[in-house]
Amino acid sequence: GNSVTQMEGPVTLSEEAFLTINCTYTATGYPSLFWYVQYPGEGLQLLLKATKADDKGSNKGFEATYRKETTSFHLEKGSVQVSDSAVYFCALSGGGGADGLTFGKGTHLIIQP
Amino acid sequence: DGGITQSPKYLFRKEGQNVTLSCEQNLNHDAMYWYRQDPGQGLRLIYYSQIVNDFQKGDIAEGYSVSREKKESFPLTVTSAQKNPTAFYLCASSVAGTSGSYEQYFGPGTRLTVT
Repeated sequence: GNSVTQMEGPVTLSEEAFLTINCTYTATGYPSLFWYVQYPGEGLQLLLKATKADDKGSNKGFEATYRKETTSFHLEKGSVQVSDSAVYFCALSGGGGADGLTFGKGTHLIIQP
Repeated sequence: DGGITQSPKYLFRKEGQNVTLSCEQNLNHDAMYWYRQDPGQGLRLIYYSQIVNDFQKGDIAEGYSVSREKKESFPLTVTSAQKNPTAFYLCASSVAGTSGSYEQYFGPGTRLTVT
């Protein structure tokens, strides 16, 4: 079956540091890949997505590239801010359609001023 | 203002009681989903519905039930058979995005505490 593995947290960085959160996946077919962000006590917000190999998703300074050869979708940001503190989830949707996403366990990011 | 609403935000129940969580969307999405979130476990799929009057079990459906009588609504009932019902419950909906990506949009969640 499908699965997503992402680095355990919490990840603590200083403001303006470079961020990488690793995500690898196992899936049959050609999944779409997503990063979602969750702020305390709230639902998830779609951060970015990629639907095919070598696609780069980007939003709000965050980027991730769909690497089929390494089955990875690592999240990066060049200079983090305190407001980026949240939990980040990597997820995939199977090629079969609207049958639910498979999520990683989430990475808690803490940015210190 | 389109979106997904879940009510209530906090819900408290005694063990042995059934409880129904509300989820409404005005995004005109065909598909709706229920997930459960526990600390350190990510999100796990409970049930999903791709069309009115049809739904399928997800990975952890035992102890839960749903209905989909209207496109806009997908209520979840947590029954007394659910062994560990205390959790954060998230509802989502989707329509096929560009390239058929089925990105999902989430409600604000309901935190259920059963004592």
